[in-house]
Amino acid sequence: IAGITQAPTSQILAAGRRMTLRCTQDMRHNAMYWYRQDLGLGLRLIHYSNTAGTTGKGEVPDGYSVSRANTDDFPLTLASAVPSQTSVYFCASSPGIAGGPDTQYFGPGTRLTVL
Amino acid sequence: GQNIDQPTEMTATEGAIVQINCTYQTSGFNGLFWYQQHAGEAPTFLSYNVLDGLEEKGRFSSFLSRSKGYSYLLLKELQMKDSASYLCAPMDSNYQLIWGAGTKLIIKP
Repeated sequence: IAGITQAPTSQILAAGRRMTLRCTQDMRHNAMYWYRQDLGLGLRLIHYSNTAGTTGKGEVPDGYSVSRANTDDFPLTLASAVPSQTSVYFCASSPGIAGGPDTQYFGPGTRLTVL
Repeated sequence: GQNIDQPTEMTATEGAIVQINCTYQTSGFNGLFWYQQHAGEAPTFLSYNVLDGLEEKGRFSSFLSRSKGYSYLLLKELQMKDSASYLCAPMDSNYQLIWGAGTKLIIKP
């Protein structure tokens, strides 16, 4: 089934631990995005990638890193988790280069709790 | 700065019509998206407006006025499954989506 998958679905993590959230899409979309969603706030962009091999910083990039080695995968890494990173994380993709009004399609999300 | 304003919560009756308003201020403008998000789920695309006027898609319509920085989503013949949050997201000059906090719509029988 075409779409975006994320793993894990949920995770409880001790502060200071390293964590990688996985995101894979099979739609051959060029652009991919990572957002976090917190209660009462809009989705906030963490990092994005226009195309394989390139990445860019969004609104809230501190404490997070990404890589885009190929078209399908866009993992998000928390090098040393802190409680303020407790959130729901959504991966999204869009067909074109992230320089046009493309529609973004979202994965199911990862609920992360940092204690 | 960039700002999105939409009501936090609205309540409507099954079978009725509801209008969810959104006002925005962005650095440049490249259209506006509406997404639906059921509790615990991912946002899903509803509509995109780039020109002024009304776009109709079944029970859902979306309106845009660029000069007023204003959009609304109109839902007709409300069904219980329409209970969800509705996210307004204009696209700025860098083609980045600026997301509102969303309007939680509660449908009562």
